[in-house]
Amino acid sequence: GAVVSQHPSRVICKSGTSVKIECRSLDFQATTMFWYRQFPKQSLMLMATSNEGSKATYEQGVEKDKFLINHASLTLSTLTVTSAHPEDSSFYICSASRGPETGELFFGEGSRLTVL
Amino acid sequence: AQSVTQPDIHITVSEGASLELRCNYSYGATPYLFWYVQSPGQGLQLLLKYFSGDTLVQGIKGFEAEFKRSQSSFNLRKPSVHWSDAAEYFCAVGAPAAGNKLTFGGGTRVLVKP
Repeated sequence: GAVVSQHPSRVICKSGTSVKIECRSLDFQATTMFWYRQFPKQSLMLMATSNEGSKATYEQGVEKDKFLINHASLTLSTLTVTSAHPEDSSFYICSASRGPETGELFFGEGSRLTVL
Repeated sequence: AQSVTQPDIHITVSEGASLELRCNYSYGATPYLFWYVQSPGQGLQLLLKYFSGDTLVQGIKGFEAEFKRSQSSFNLRKPSVHWSDAAEYFCAVGAPAAGNKLTFGGGTRVLVKP
C-alpha cells in the first residue's frame, strides 16, 4: 500500500508555456502533500506544503505565482509551472502524508521538466 | 528549524567491503529520521526509518542505521556492499509538528568498485 503516482514522468516544453504535474495517492488519503525540487546532483529542496482544501504554504524564495499548487482532493495535488523558462528545468518530486501520527512520507517517481 | 548534514559528498567502496554513511541532524525535539536511496533519474526509495524505541534499526537491502541522540547522528551502515548499491543516499529529518515535512541532507554518492 501507500503508492504515490506522478504524471507525467517526463515533459519537454517551450519557453513561455505552462506545464502541469499531477501527484496522486493511489490507495490512501493524503492530508498533506509536499512538492520538492531537485537540481542535477543536488539534494531535494522543499518548495511548498499543501493541505487539502487550503492554500499552499511556500518555502522562502519560492515564487508562488510561478509555481501554482492546488490540492483539490485528498488524493490529488497539482503543480503548475507557469510561463516556464529554461531555469525552471529540474526534477520535481511530490510526497504525501497520511497524517502526522504516521510519521512517514510516500514519494512519487518524480517528473523531469525540460524547458527549451 | 530542522537541518541535516551529510559530511561526505562522495564515497568509493570496493564490492564486498563495508559501508558507513554519516548523517548529523539538528532538531529541537525527538526527530523522525529516515534514509532514502535514489538511483539516477529515479524517485526515492525508503531504506529505513527511526521514530522511537530501539536505536538500531534494520532496513531493506541489508542496511541498518543507529540513532545516537548524544551525537545527533543517524549513520547508515551495510556490512558488505553489492555493485547494485551504487546510488545517491539521502538522510532526512521529519517534523511531525509540521505535517511530517522532511528536510534532506545534501546526499552522499556511493560508487562501488569491482
